[in-house]
Amino acid sequence: KNQVEQSPQSLIILEGKNCTLQCNYTVSPFSNLRWYKQDTGRGPVSLTIMTFSENTKSNGRYTATLDADTKQSSLHITASQLSDSASYICVVSFSNFGNEKLTFGTGTRLTIIP
Amino acid sequence: NAGVTQTPKFRVLKTGQSMTLLCAQDMNHEYMYWYRQDPGMGLRLIHYSVGEGTTAKGEVPDGYNVSRLKKQNFLLGLESAAPSQTSVYFCASSRTVFSNQPQHFGDGTRLSIL
Repeated sequence: KNQVEQSPQSLIILEGKNCTLQCNYTVSPFSNLRWYKQDTGRGPVSLTIMTFSENTKSNGRYTATLDADTKQSSLHITASQLSDSASYICVVSFSNFGNEKLTFGTGTRLTIIP
Repeated sequence: NAGVTQTPKFRVLKTGQSMTLLCAQDMNHEYMYWYRQDPGMGLRLIHYSVGEGTTAKGEVPDGYNVSRLKKQNFLLGLESAAPSQTSVYFCASSRTVFSNQPQHFGDGTRLSIL
């Protein structure tokens, strides 16, 4: 069964600190991995999309890594800001008879405190 | 830019009532999707459309119907609402279904069935 597991479930850090969120998946055959940010009461917003051949991808203070061999990804947030408080969702895409399907993780709830 | 707009934002229904959730996108995207998000679970695909006049079942289609009469609109219908359909519903769109194409989400419709 295709699964995406994220850890930790929740995280609280001080403003200005760095943090790393983890994503492990069992999806096969792998197509791409996505990270989304979801603010409270809003829809998810895409941060990065990585294909099999990409190991690292950055979007401002967000850096995603992918190890397709171990089926692990991480999202590193540098110099956190209060606006980074949100849920971060890992999404893994797989191909199914020519169609691309997405499997969503349950997210990591990040809270930045001043 | 409006992006993806969902109406209504909130709704309370009684068991057995029917309603239609509206989704409109102004990005000329071919693909549109309806998801539901429940506590402790990842987003789950209800139905999707690969173009005007087409619809297809997703992971949890039972109890829902959809229509895509115009490219920019995707409607989700509940014919006879049940308490198990209490959820937050998200509409999304994408240019294609292939890799490196992010899905753009609306801000959701919060639906409670009493």
